[in-house]
Amino acid sequence: GDSVTQMEGPVTLSEEAFLTINCTYTATGYPSLFWYVQYPGEGLQLLLKATKADDKGSNKGFEATYRKETTSFHLEKGSVQVSDSAVYFCALDSWGKFQFGAGTQVVVTP
Amino acid sequence: DVKVTQSSRYLVKRTGEKVFLECVQDMDHENMFWYRQDPGLGLRLIYFSYDVKMKEKGDIPEGYSVSREKKERFSLILESASTNQTSMYLCASTPGLAFTGELFFGEGSRLTVL
Repeated sequence: GDSVTQMEGPVTLSEEAFLTINCTYTATGYPSLFWYVQYPGEGLQLLLKATKADDKGSNKGFEATYRKETTSFHLEKGSVQVSDSAVYFCALDSWGKFQFGAGTQVVVTP
Repeated sequence: DVKVTQSSRYLVKRTGEKVFLECVQDMDHENMFWYRQDPGLGLRLIYFSYDVKMKEKGDIPEGYSVSREKKERFSLILESASTNQTSMYLCASTPGLAFTGELFFGEGSRLTVL
């Protein structure tokens, strides 16, 4: 079945460092791809999405590009802030059923 | 804004108790979902529903049942709670099957079974 694999955490960074979280997927069709973020004590919220190959999703300085040839959707941010400390989930939507990765905890220190 | 409300943020129950987790959404969404979230395992789909009185098993339905008597309400039921059901439970909704967009999540219900 469809699945998502993302890099394990925790990832610990200093403020203003570059962040990359790798995500790859397996799917039989052409799913939409998402990054969700969960801040401490809160529910998940959508960070960005891409619905077709070569689309780039972006929000709050984060970016991810839908790469069909490598089945990847890596999340990047050029300069992280302490407020970016959270758990990040890669996900795909295949015909209304969402599959999530295990989540990557990111800790940004001042 | 879409609001998905889970009635209990924190619950503590004993082994063998029957547990009800309630979820209500206020945007007339067709689809509703129950996930459990465990460290290192991400979110796993328990059950989902595409319409009133309709339900489908997700990836880990064992030990759970659901009820959807009204469009806005989707309940998760643990008939006889066990310690391995200690987890964070997340409810979510989307407008419909053809919708290619985000899941709208509630804040979660953290269940501890003693």
